[in-house]
Amino acid sequence: KQEVTQIPAALSVPEGENLVLNCSFTDSAIYNLQWFRQDPGKGLTSLLLIQSSQREQTSGRLNASLDKSSGRSTLYIAASQPGDSATYLCAGDAGNKLTFGGGTRVLVKP
Amino acid sequence: NAGVTQTPKFQVLKTGQSMTLQCAQDMNHNSMYWYRQDPGMGLRLIYYSASEGTTDKGEVPNGYNVSRLNKREFSLRLESAAPSQTSVYFCASSKQGAFSETQYFGPGTRLLVL
Repeated sequence: KQEVTQIPAALSVPEGENLVLNCSFTDSAIYNLQWFRQDPGKGLTSLLLIQSSQREQTSGRLNASLDKSSGRSTLYIAASQPGDSATYLCAGDAGNKLTFGGGTRVLVKP
Repeated sequence: NAGVTQTPKFQVLKTGQSMTLQCAQDMNHNSMYWYRQDPGMGLRLIYYSASEGTTDKGEVPNGYNVSRLNKREFSLRLESAAPSQTSVYFCASSKQGAFSETQYFGPGTRLLVL
């Protein structure tokens, strides 16, 4: 059974600092790894999707890497801004469902 | 283009009452999903519909039923609500009918069962 873990559960950084968010998964036979953002009281917004054949994806200040052999994915957010404050969730797709991690709650202080 | 919409936004039920959560998408997506989100548990899949006319159980289907009314609409029904079903419920959709692609989420329905 796929298990997805995100540590730490919460993170606080000053504005301008780079953010590094970690995601680990137990089953390396995943089809893809997705990163989502969730604002308080809102739904999830897809940020990046990394196919199993890829090692990373980039969108603007966001870069996500995938290492299937070690069961890890990392989301980097460059030059963080207060607007980046949110909860970030990763989800592994093992072929028939997405398994979500518990999320990392990020606070970027001005 | 509203994306994925859910009604109601918030609901309070008494134990044993029934209700239906509504979900609709206007993106012409084939697949639709229902998740619940609980503190410390992440999001868990309740049911999904890979295409119009099909539904399948997810990780936590007990106590729920679903109906794929048409390509746009996918409803979730609680026949006899229990306090353990207090949660935030999210509907999502994706284009091609596979999990290996971006899912688009609705704003959620917050359900409190007393």
